[in-house]
Amino acid sequence: EVVLTQSPGTLSLSPGERATLSCRASRSVSTNFLAWYQQKPGQAPRLLIYGASSRATGIPDRFSGGGSGTDFTLTITRVVPEDFAVYYCQQYGSSCTFGQGTRLEIK
Amino acid sequence: QLQLQESGPGLVKPSETLSLTCTVSGGFITSDNYYWGWIRQPPGKGLEYIGIIYYSGSTFYNPSLKSRVTISVDASKTQFSLKLTSVTAADTAVYYCARFVGPGMNGAYYFDNWGQGTLVSVSS
Repeated sequence: EVVLTQSPGTLSLSPGERATLSCRASRSVSTNFLAWYQQKPGQAPRLLIYGASSRATGIPDRFSGGGSGTDFTLTITRVVPEDFAVYYCQQYGSSCTFGQGTRLEIK
Repeated sequence: QLQLQESGPGLVKPSETLSLTCTVSGGFITSDNYYWGWIRQPPGKGLEYIGIIYYSGSTFYNPSLKSRVTISVDASKTQFSLKLTSVTAADTAVYYCARFVGPGMNGAYYFDNWGQGTLVSVSS
């Protein structure tokens, strides 16, 4: 099983700041198999990024994904109030696993 | 617009079987490169993959749950279902159904549409 470890656990930022979220895999994952999701309280997760770096339909361009191998990153260039949520990475290379999540909170 | 809706009992007794159904509307459950899956989330915790099914019946389960899980599909009803046997309190969670794309755009694999989720509690 590929274990995904997300860091930090909680990220405290002010609106307008840059957010950098990390997802580290226990072994190499193809970029095709890495996705990012956003989840707000009481809601289902929403696909943000697929294929490590492609934005899903309707996702603002302040969201970007990158990385390869075992290290992947989700970046929000300038955080706006609606971005405060929990973010999960997910891989499907070896079965399917999710990271434990990073909570982005208002500072 | 594709929509998925979970349905089933909100309370299950320990040792019994949890059964949920997901009804798909606005799309075809038999479309190529789309799988149909279940993910759960215990209260206050993260997401756990349960498994996915292709319309042909091929299934791919989480190894840690495989011995207790059955996912089936009824294409004529545009529904797919989850059965989880011998439940315990640890199976209490919000259960989501979702569409899994693979391979999709750029050869990627991902869950692109989710139901709203349904809370299932395991308690006597």
